[in-house]
Amino acid sequence: DQQVKQNSPSLSVQEGRISILNCDYTNSMFDYFLWYKKYPAEGPTFLISISSIKDKNEDGRFTVFLNKSAKHLSLHIVPSQPGDSAVYFCAAGQSGAGSYQLTFGKGTKLSVIP
Amino acid sequence: DAGITQSPRHKVTETGTPVTLRCHQTENHRYMYWYRQDPGHGLRLIHYSYGVKDTDKGEVSDGYSVSRSKTEDFLLTLESATSSQTSVYFCAISEDGRGDTEAFFGQGTRLTVV
Repeated sequence: DQQVKQNSPSLSVQEGRISILNCDYTNSMFDYFLWYKKYPAEGPTFLISISSIKDKNEDGRFTVFLNKSAKHLSLHIVPSQPGDSAVYFCAAGQSGAGSYQLTFGKGTKLSVIP
Repeated sequence: DAGITQSPRHKVTETGTPVTLRCHQTENHRYMYWYRQDPGHGLRLIHYSYGVKDTDKGEVSDGYSVSRSKTEDFLLTLESATSSQTSVYFCAISEDGRGDTEAFFGQGTRLTVV
């Protein structure tokens, strides 16, 4: 049973517009969420995170929103740039001791069209 | 970039042969992980280590074993490779292993079992 779901395998956006990537989770124990970006032939790189005590975290062009009641988070990229074209993975974890692993979604491939 | 080196970067092997992938880090992080990435599945945890000689199973550990004799090295062994183990393997490290800490990934090893 998938605990972290990214239901859109792909997304195409025009350069300069907003990209919105969505992620849903089912495990109520998750209290920390991360987004990773992956280019072809490279490892994933950390992009931005959010704790469950917040509902928004912003870093430059990237903003993550968390809706705990809906068990939903989204990553907004504004404005989108061609270099943002990559696969984006949503990941969730538990902040308590003994919680050694992150659970990843299947990823969403973002294509930003010049 | 975090100092993580995976070797080899590419390998083709025959069904039934043993294969060992190596992950080497220079960050002195306590926690190390092996993930596999497959189309339609995202990143799935195979095994992880929380210290020298301390390892545990992840979500998809069947057919894999690991060893960690030194802080800097984490080995993943496929005792008898099968075609279902054709995948891209990523090593990751994290400082404290908590679910609210980002992990840093290596560049990946593409393994093909023929």
